[in-house]
Amino acid sequence: AQKITQTQPGMFVQEKEAVTLDCTYDTSDPSYGLFWYKQPSSGEMIFLIYQGSYDQQNATEGRYSLNFQKARKSANLVISASQLGDSAMYFCAMREDAGYSSASKIIFGSGTRLSIRP
Amino acid sequence: SAVISQKPSRDICQRGTSLTIQCQVDSQVTMMFWYRQQPGQSLTLIATANQGSEATYESGFVIDKFPISRPNLTFSTLTVSNLSPEDSSIYLCQGGNLDTQYFGPGTRLTVL
Repeated sequence: AQKITQTQPGMFVQEKEAVTLDCTYDTSDPSYGLFWYKQPSSGEMIFLIYQGSYDQQNATEGRYSLNFQKARKSANLVISASQLGDSAMYFCAMREDAGYSSASKIIFGSGTRLSIRP
Repeated sequence: SAVISQKPSRDICQRGTSLTIQCQVDSQVTMMFWYRQQPGQSLTLIATANQGSEATYESGFVIDKFPISRPNLTFSTLTVSNLSPEDSSIYLCQGGNLDTQYFGPGTRLTVL
């Protein structure tokens, strides 16, 4: 079964608009973490933001925020005031803890290619 | 934030040979992982590198083909053995703690 689902293979957004990238996940573990990464055409994987399953507030990092809806098992990434440099692949990932950190592993979604139009 | 380096950045290898990739983290991390990424695809987890013990492999990946070492909290190696053209891919090392996970720049492997 798919653990991490990103339903938008590609998106086009006008520069300066806000954009929401969808991510849903599936786990029965009460302790888990959610990550978002950006991969520009250069290929590097850039860590953007993290949300823990027990965190009460949505995570924010500059223009990035994570809309965490635990009951719906969704962890959408919101980018405010998009810029041309935001054009990249974006991956959602989940860490399942399996009860202790040494057994944790991180699984990635299929990604969303975001293109920002000038 | 942790800085992760990988060596080599790229290599071209002959069928039947092996390539060992090194991953070095500039600070101690609890977790290290190895992934494979085909062009235009997502990341596939190969294994979790466990410090001082055998790696934990994902379905479809075996120790004989992908031996992994992690002698301490800052260093790990992945060997891709008995290379075939199907092993041509980018191999990425990831390291971090529960709430921060960083990637190395990747190793681009081409098998002829």
